[in-house]
Amino acid sequence: NAGVMQNPRHLVRRRGQEARLRCSPMKGHSHVYWYRQLPEEGLKFMVYLQKENIIDESGMPKERFSAEFPKEGPSILRIQQVVRGDSAAYFCASSPNTILSSGANVLTFGAGSRLTVL
Amino acid sequence: QQPVQSPQAVILREGEDAVINCSSSKALYSVHWYRQKHGEAPVFLMILLKGGEQKGHEKISASFNEKKQQSSLYLTASQLSYSGTYFCGTERATDSWGKLQFGAGTQVVVTP
Repeated sequence: NAGVMQNPRHLVRRRGQEARLRCSPMKGHSHVYWYRQLPEEGLKFMVYLQKENIIDESGMPKERFSAEFPKEGPSILRIQQVVRGDSAAYFCASSPNTILSSGANVLTFGAGSRLTVL
Repeated sequence: QQPVQSPQAVILREGEDAVINCSSSKALYSVHWYRQKHGEAPVFLMILLKGGEQKGHEKISASFNEKKQQSSLYLTASQLSYSGTYFCGTERATDSWGKLQFGAGTQVVVTP
């Protein structure tokens, strides 16, 4: 089981360019979450998706950011017209289709994509 | 909304014990603990549901006090491999599944 796969691991963009980050969840997982981590800080929830549906995007900035999880292929986090403040590590996590017998939902994180905006 | 973790950092000698606390002002459904090493993915350690149960993972255990909305992570007889940043993630019953609010983290350094 390859785990949660994210690419690219590192991405450098100039201000105004677009950044696309990809995430393939673990096999058998249909729930995908995106979190952002600034240096020396905790993870901040951005968005929760299931196949072809955005379930909760309450943590997404209103402009320039979008996310999708199509029927086929990886989930994509897209940042348009990047600014220096977008520089961060973006982590994707996935969880299985069913919750544990205890009623809990455990997230497995990918290694992250580190975006640097020049 | 974000849980408060304490201490911010702790330095231990191998074999010593430490406690990391995570407090929330909101009623919680569950508390998740992760450890992250520099430049790597957060790794799941354990989850505690409301009910005050205690869980264990090797010599790392945790408890959840529902009355205080507080969880504690216990590092017992620490090993060098325990070094890293520990995050608690809290989940409220009213939130979407997997929408965790993470604390700012506690950096743990274990020295020989």
